[in-house]
Amino acid sequence: DAGITQSPRHKVTETGTPVTLRCHQTENHRYMYWYRQDPGHGLRLIHYSYGVKDTDKGEVSDGYSVSRSKTEDFLLTLESATSSQTSVYFCAISGGKGSYNEQFFGPGTRLTVL
Amino acid sequence: DQQVKQNSPSLSVQEGRISILNCDYTNSMFDYFLWYKKYPAEGPTFLISISSIKDKNEDGRFTVFLNKSAKHLSLHIVPSQPGDSAVYFCAASVKAAGNKLTFGGGTRVLVKP
Repeated sequence: DAGITQSPRHKVTETGTPVTLRCHQTENHRYMYWYRQDPGHGLRLIHYSYGVKDTDKGEVSDGYSVSRSKTEDFLLTLESATSSQTSVYFCAISGGKGSYNEQFFGPGTRLTVL
Repeated sequence: DQQVKQNSPSLSVQEGRISILNCDYTNSMFDYFLWYKKYPAEGPTFLISISSIKDKNEDGRFTVFLNKSAKHLSLHIVPSQPGDSAVYFCAASVKAAGNKLTFGGGTRVLVKP
């Protein structure tokens, strides 16, 4: 398994509070991604990074921001959480030698916004 | 507008038989296609992929077929095993655009012993 960890694994928060999810990789992969998974939608891309300090928006970026100050860490922030952001969040990495186009996923973070 | 669609939300198959999962896409720019398997409370696991320059790729029990003219791909699992029971997602990307994946909605497979 690729070395990808996500923290926290579970979080319950209240509407309007800020939340930060962390993704950490030990594979030195160039690309990192944040997805959310909702019933009937598969996984949808929120933001991605193609290098340190280089990020861009995905399909469902409204209400989310990201930062990548080190190769190994990619943070996802919900500035003011809403109930519609209740979801399971997955981090992924790609760009490794021998598997450049495949993405490898972390275990996920289940976020509940009350 | 869903660019990648899996029209069968579920599939039930007998152990030892073939499982066939289907996926359709609309964006002709997609040039790389992947299948992922997902167990509950875990992240998706990469299964197999295919480039648009090929029409078939095989890896053990798993074979992916790509029909570019129909914008259709399928995953065949032969023989199906109880451990294959999971949700399967197809995904597509444009390799030159940062490997961003667009996923289908998933197909839940149940393999009965």
